[in-house]
Amino acid sequence: AQTVTQSQPEMSVQEAETVTLSCTYDTSENNYYLFWYKQPPSRQMILVIRQEAYKQQNATENRFSVNFQKAAKSFSLKISDSQLGDTAMYFCAFMSTNAGKSTFGDGTTLTVKP
Amino acid sequence: GAVVSQHPSWVICKSGTSVKIECRSLDFQATTMFWYRQFPKQSLMLMATSNEGSKATYEQGVEKDKFLINHASLTLSTLTVTSAHPEDSSFYICSAREGGQDYGYTFGSGTRLTVV
Repeated sequence: AQTVTQSQPEMSVQEAETVTLSCTYDTSENNYYLFWYKQPPSRQMILVIRQEAYKQQNATENRFSVNFQKAAKSFSLKISDSQLGDTAMYFCAFMSTNAGKSTFGDGTTLTVKP
Repeated sequence: GAVVSQHPSWVICKSGTSVKIECRSLDFQATTMFWYRQFPKQSLMLMATSNEGSKATYEQGVEKDKFLINHASLTLSTLTVTSAHPEDSSFYICSAREGGQDYGYTFGSGTRLTVV
C-alpha cells in the first residue's frame, strides 16, 4: 500500500515571498502520478500541479513548481511570489496508474500574511 | 476544463432519515467516480470507488449498507446515507476521472451533511 507523508501541518509566509511544502511517499511501483491539490476555505479541491513519475523534468505551472526526486520519493511544492489567495490547505497525492485511486497526505495549512 | 457538479452543497436532516447526494460530470463521461469523507482540517478519506454499471468498491471499514452508491450512467453517481445519525455528520466530496485520462481528478464542491 502507498503512503503519503506531509510533515508540516502548518506553515506561513509573507506575501511576495517563496515557500516550499514538503511531501514524501512510499511505493513499490515504478509508474505513477503525483499531484498537489489546493483546498481554500471554500473547501473546493483544486488541482495545482501534476507530475508523471517517468518524467525527469520537474513540472511547473506559473508560480508553482515541484522538486521531484524519484529515488528519494520526495515531491515538494514551491510557491513563488506568494499571494493572499494562496492561503489554503494543500494536499499531496499519489495515484497508481493501475488502481486509479489516490492516496492523500494529511495536508499542510498555508497562511499567506500581508 | 472538466466540471463536476455536486448537490446539495449543504443539507440538514433528522436522525433516522436518508439523504441522497448527487455527483454529475457536466462535460465529460466519468467511468469512475470516487466518494470521500472529510472531517474539519483533516485529509480526505476515500469511502468507495464507483464504477459505471457495476457495484461500488468500498474501502475497509465503510458500511456498504449505510452508504449506498449508485453509478447508473456515465455522468451521474449518487451517495445515499441511509438511516443517518449524528456521527454521520461530515463533509462529503465526490471526484471523477475522465475515462482514460490521467490528469488527476476533478472534484465536486462538496456537501456538508448535518444530522440532528
